[in-house]
Amino acid sequence: EADIYQTPRYLVIGTGKKITLECSQTMGHDKMYWYQQDPGMELHLIHYSYGVNSTEKGDLSSESTVSRIRTEHFPLTLESARPSHTSQYLCASSESGRMEVFFGQGTRLTVV
Amino acid sequence: AQRVTQPEKLLSVFKGAPVELKCNYSYSGSPELFWYVQYSRQRLQLLLRHISRESIKGFTADLNKGETSFHLKKPFAQEEDSAMYYCALIPGNTPLVFGKGTRLSVIA
Repeated sequence: EADIYQTPRYLVIGTGKKITLECSQTMGHDKMYWYQQDPGMELHLIHYSYGVNSTEKGDLSSESTVSRIRTEHFPLTLESARPSHTSQYLCASSESGRMEVFFGQGTRLTVV
Repeated sequence: AQRVTQPEKLLSVFKGAPVELKCNYSYSGSPELFWYVQYSRQRLQLLLRHISRESIKGFTADLNKGETSFHLKKPFAQEEDSAMYYCALIPGNTPLVFGKGTRLSVIA
């Protein structure tokens, strides 16, 4: 079934650890995004990609990095997790020429 | 710079009452506007977009370019409408810009 998948759904990790949040989509979309949803439920764009080997930073300053080696895969990496990174991370995708953006279920990250 | 403003963080209405979630935007070009909804423990999903001019789950939204508004309305609120609602804008060939969201609570 065409969908967008995020793993893990929940993650509790210690300060200083390196983590990668996985995001894959089987919808054939060329555009992918990462949004951070803060405790107040506001959404902030942190990274996006319009195609393979193309990534851009979003509006919110983030210490994370992303890669886009394959069209369907857009992982987000935190080299050294901090409590301030505690948040819900939403991956999304869309197709060029079409406006609707599809979201994954999200990864809820807690850094202790 | 493009911006989306949702002035209400929380809106509580009684079941059967009319609902209006406010959204104002700032964008110099021709806007593409959307309403997204997030129900409890569900993923964020598109509710409606201005260009389709359709009614989804009884909700409608009309783009008013003069007032730069895109308010979401429903004549009779239902309990299942309780959710987080986001107004969003696509400014040209850049990603969605979201408002801060409004939590709608429908009281039985």
